Amino acid sequence: EAGVTQSPTHLIKTRGQQATLRCSPISGHTSVYWYQQALGLGLQFLLWYDEGEERNRGNFPPRFSGRQFPNYSSELNVNALELEDSALYLCASSPSPGTAGYSNQPQHFGDGTRLSIL
Amino acid sequence: KQEVTQIPAALSVPEGENLVLNCSFTDSAIYNLQWFRQDPGKGLTSLLLIQSSQREQTSGRLNASLDKSSGRSTLYIAASQPGDSATYLCAVKVGGGFKTIFGAGTRLFVKA
Repeated sequence: EAGVTQSPTHLIKTRGQQATLRCSPISGHTSVYWYQQALGLGLQFLLWYDEGEERNRGNFPPRFSGRQFPNYSSELNVNALELEDSALYLCASSPSPGTAGYSNQPQHFGDGTRLSIL
Repeated sequence: KQEVTQIPAALSVPEGENLVLNCSFTDSAIYNLQWFRQDPGKGLTSLLLIQSSQREQTSGRLNASLDKSSGRSTLYIAASQPGDSATYLCAVKVGGGFKTIFGAGTRLFVKA
């Protein structure tokens, strides 16, 4: 079974540009979560998508947005990049909240996209 | 607001030693608590998940306990090996949108 895959592995941008990060969940998983792991700040919850809809959002400005496609893959878009957006962005997937025992399903993580802002 | 704290922030032990990593959380209303391992520059690997109704989970040399009333969890690693060197994160799943809140992690170094 293929795990969660993220692309690209590394992304280098300059201030003001826009970045697009991609995530493919484990087959059968409909929920996709995005996290930011900045140096010294730990893992911060960004966004949660399920069945194509945004279900929850962390404490991030609107220039962080995303979407989920019919095949449950997801994109994270970051507009007007700032230096402090440099971080490892991790994607995780899990079964749908409608699945029996969902609340106790572990999240499975990809290896992340390292975004560097110059 | 749920907050998750991990102590110590870093730990260095000789190979073969048994060790305990600590995790505390401020709100006992959790669905589950999960321990992860993260190698440098990599994603997270799930180690153990303890449901809110459970007290502990075991996998190989790892044992995790959960005391919801006191807001604490421990990860016990037996007979540590250099390959155990990594950052260990605990995370709680909470209501209000099934958010997962992470601790800052404990960086473990096991010396050969």
